[in-house]
This record gives sequence, structure tokens and C-alpha cells, in this order.
Amino acid sequence: GQSLEQPSEVTAVEGAIVQINCTYQTSGFYGLSWYQQHDGGAPTFLSYNALDGLEETGRFSSFLSRSDSYGYLLLQELQMKDSASYFCALGSSNTGKLIFGQGTTLQVKP
Amino acid sequence: DAGITQSPRHKVTETGTPVTLRCHQTENHRYMYWYRQDPGHGLRLIHYSYGVKDTDKGEVSDGYSVSRSKTEDFLLTLESATSSQTSVYFCAISESSGAEGYTFGSGTRLTVV
Repeated sequence: GQSLEQPSEVTAVEGAIVQINCTYQTSGFYGLSWYQQHDGGAPTFLSYNALDGLEETGRFSSFLSRSDSYGYLLLQELQMKDSASYFCALGSSNTGKLIFGQGTTLQVKP
Repeated sequence: DAGITQSPRHKVTETGTPVTLRCHQTENHRYMYWYRQDPGHGLRLIHYSYGVKDTDKGEVSDGYSVSRSKTEDFLLTLESATSSQTSVYFCAISESSGAEGYTFGSGTRLTVV
């Protein structure tokens, strides 16, 4: 089977940098994705890593190391609106199934 | 404008009754998915579809069935609702194999009493 682990909660200060880690176990996968979800809202796609290395999208970056079964989401210049839950997800097959981690709640404080 | 809508947005139903949730897309995407979200469990895949009349089970499919007779509609049916199926249900679509990201609907909050 497949499983992903993320910290349940992270707290950081406005303007700071925060890293949300994701470790996984799988026999094979297509890529690692990240989603953001605000309270009461729907998840929205942030980033995708098909290959090892860093992908940058504005203030957000995502990293993947297949050899270490590890990835992370890096959020820079934190803003209050970044307070949300963040999910990593494994793309498990060519049917596009995503298996999600349990999510990390990020609280940004002034 | 997101191209995916779920209905109803909220529903309260009694134990033992059948319930159907609808997901409608205007993006002509091939892939559609149903997830449920519960505290402490993240998003769990119930069923998914990779084309008209092509569906398969996900992680938590027991007690649920799906149908996709048209590209734009993916229906989730709870044959006989139970309290354990109280949850928020999200539909998602993707254009290719999902690698580039899903677009999620706004969700249906279902309460089984």
C-alpha cells in the first residue's frame, strides 16, 4: 500500500519561512503534489513534482527526493492568509488517483 | 467559473435512506473522483472514473456506488446511509492523469441522523 506522513500542526510568524515535510511509503508513483485548503473551503492545487528537485511558484516551492522518500513544501514571506491546511498527495497510477496525507494545519501569527 | 459544481451543498438524511450526490463539470475532463474528508483522516478516495461508464473503487468504497453515463456527470450513491457516512464529500476533476492537479468542487456536507 501507500502511506504519507505529515506533521499535524505548524506555527510560524508573519514574514517568516516555513517548511512542511512529507514522508511517504510506496512501491511506485508518478509524482508528489501539494494542496492548500482554507477552513470551510475546497482544496486547491499548489505544486507538483514529477522529478527530484525543487519547483518554484512564487512564494511557494516544493521539493522531492525519491531516494529519500521525502518531499517538502516551502512557504516564504508568510502572510496571514497562508493560515490553512496543507496536504501532500501521491499520484499512484496512470488513472490519476491521488492518495492524500492527513494534512498539516499551518497557523501564521502576527 | 470553476467548471465543477456539486449538489446539494448540504443535506441531512435519515439512517437507512438512499442518497445521491451529483458532480457536474463543464470542462470535458476525462477523470473524475469522489473523496470524503473527515477530521483526522484527510481526504480519502471513494471511487473514481477514467471515462464514461469506466469506474473503479478507491480506498473506502464500501457502502457507496457510482455511475457515469455522461462525461459531465459523476454520481455518488449511498445505498443505505449510515451515521459513519456523515462527512464532507468532494468531487474532483482532472484533464490528464492528475499529475498537473485536480480541480475540486465546493463540497457537499452530508449529515446522517
